[in-house]
Amino acid sequence: KAGVTQTPRYLIKTRGQQVTLSCSPISGHRSVSWYQQTPGQGLQFLFEYFSETQRNKGNFPGRFSGRQFSNSRSEMNVSTLELGDSALYLCASSLDWGRETQYFGPGTRLLVL
Amino acid sequence: GENVEQHPSTLSVQEGDSAVIKCTYSDSASNYFPWYKQELGKRPQLIIDIRSNVGEKKDQRIAVTLNKTAKHFSLHITETQPEDSAVYFCAASETSGTYKYIFGTGTRLKVLA
Repeated sequence: KAGVTQTPRYLIKTRGQQVTLSCSPISGHRSVSWYQQTPGQGLQFLFEYFSETQRNKGNFPGRFSGRQFSNSRSEMNVSTLELGDSALYLCASSLDWGRETQYFGPGTRLLVL
Repeated sequence: GENVEQHPSTLSVQEGDSAVIKCTYSDSASNYFPWYKQELGKRPQLIIDIRSNVGEKKDQRIAVTLNKTAKHFSLHITETQPEDSAVYFCAASETSGTYKYIFGTGTRLKVLA
């Protein structure tokens, strides 16, 4: 079974631009969570989607948003990029909402100049 | 808010020695505690997990112990090998019906040959 995939793997943007990242979960998995990973802050939870609905949200500004499609694929969008948004963005999928085991994708490394 | 403290931030051990990483959580209702290993440039991989109704779990050279009263859990790696070198993250589930995970800030383990 194929693992979690994320596209693109690397991205360079400038301040003020917006970006959309994509995550395809493991086949059959319906829950997708997004995390921001930075060297000093570790893994910070952004949001979780299940059945096209956002079930949970972390403490990030409204510039960070996401959505999930009927095939469970998920996208996250960051508008008005800031230098501090440079990070590795990881998504993780799990079989169902509330099913604990999460499997991570390889991440998208975003650099904001 | 809820948080997970992880110590130490870096750990160097000689090959063959044991390594112990400790985490403390604040949400007394947390009931699921996974550990992830992240090698350089790779995605976090689940290596072991434990639920609150169990005090200890072992998988070959890896073990996790949980003390619910003290709200801390630990990862034990015995007979360390160079391939154990990685960053290890602990996490605790937040259980207000949202199934969100709070991650520790990570421990960089170096196994010296």
